[in-house]
Amino acid sequence: SYELTQPPSVSVSPGQTARITCSGDAMADQYAHWYQQKSGQAPVLVIYKDTERPSGIPERFSGSSSGPIVTLTISGVQADDEADYYCQSADSSGTYWVFGGGTKLTVL
Amino acid sequence: EVQLVESGGGLVQPGGSLRLSCAASGFTFSSYWMSWVRQAPGKGLEWVANIKYDGSQKHYVDSVMGRFTISRDNAKSSVFLQMNSLRVEDTAVYYCARVAGYIDHWGQGTLVTVSS
Repeated sequence: SYELTQPPSVSVSPGQTARITCSGDAMADQYAHWYQQKSGQAPVLVIYKDTERPSGIPERFSGSSSGPIVTLTISGVQADDEADYYCQSADSSGTYWVFGGGTKLTVL
Repeated sequence: EVQLVESGGGLVQPGGSLRLSCAASGFTFSSYWMSWVRQAPGKGLEWVANIKYDGSQKHYVDSVMGRFTISRDNAKSSVFLQMNSLRVEDTAVYYCARVAGYIDHWGQGTLVTVSS
């Protein structure tokens, strides 16, 4: 089955830049999307189609893509950004979805 | 405002069945694919199933194939997940979600606990 790989954890100090990667064999053929999930809450979309930011999401959230790796970048990290972040994509056919294992962002 | 409200969760014994419902409002339901995503306690998100806006296509994760069935009623703006032959490992919060090529809106989830 298709898998997406994320680092389990990332830690940064307030004001620094956090980068969370997600890799998968079909990533070059399929868009990736990113979701933020705070403790006890439903996930929220923060980046879609690799680089697009939904309305209402702060500009400090950005996405990039290079071959099999996509990256979520959070510039000027704030305490409120502490959450779990999940990438999501699909297999090469676009039919079967998959989530990465999630990355816990800790703001020191 | 888009709203997705799940119901039907609860405690069920292994081998049992449960039917989850999701009532949608605030958008043209019949124009969107819909999805179910689950999250086991303390674990990550897992995609479960998608259904096309007219119900003509359905896709499932391998682990639920043949046991779960996704369906929809566009007249009632509702999507369902029939879960049969439930296993302990199906214990999770089940989220209903609207699909726009990605998930752009999530419900608050309903907890399913499979235990004897």
